[in-house]
Amino acid sequence: GAVVSQHPSWVICKSGTSVKIECRSLDFQATTMFWYRQFPKQSLMLMATSNEGSKATYEQGVEKDKFLINHASLTLSTLTVTSAHPEDSSFYICSARGVGGNTIYFGEGSWLTVV
Amino acid sequence: AQKVTQAQTEISVVEKEDVTLDCVYETRDTTYYLFWYKQPPSGELVFLIRRNSFDEQNEISGRYSWNFQKSTSSFNFTITASQVVDSAVYFCALLIIQGAQKLVFGQGTRLTINP
Repeated sequence: GAVVSQHPSWVICKSGTSVKIECRSLDFQATTMFWYRQFPKQSLMLMATSNEGSKATYEQGVEKDKFLINHASLTLSTLTVTSAHPEDSSFYICSARGVGGNTIYFGEGSWLTVV
Repeated sequence: AQKVTQAQTEISVVEKEDVTLDCVYETRDTTYYLFWYKQPPSGELVFLIRRNSFDEQNEISGRYSWNFQKSTSSFNFTITASQVVDSAVYFCALLIIQGAQKLVFGQGTRLTINP
């Protein structure tokens, strides 16, 4: 089946630094990728939707200058958390939707800890 | 607005019992998809099933079965003869095809199967 790979799985960074998380679709072309954030024991909250070659659409309340999303190719989207702070510590997970497909597959997720 | 409600926050049963996870959704769109995902403690989201709004056939896959009732806007998930490995958080999600094409998640149901 379709596979979405996310990297890194775990990252610890210092407050004030930036960290990049990659999301790759391994065996299909993903026209749309979604980025979610999940706090402990809570549901997934959609942060933004990105379409290949165009600017991401951010959900209300999500700072686009803080959470930079780039979807440069049909198989890669990146989320960069800029000037990270401890409150940005969370589980970030991406998902990808293929061309003409309505099944959405998820990456393994990335645990971000800002110290 | 689109919304998914999983009223059961936590369920705990003894192994081999049958258990049903409820999912109720709201949408004014006529074309949509419903999903169930499993999230084990490791965090990744595992795709279980997709159902489109025009297909009300129930589905069975091994010990898993799904009951889609458009009249009550419900898409319930039943695990028969539950096993400890079924312990996880289960999410029901709704994908609207038109417009923003966002995947909206329910709050999740934490299922614990006790030996």
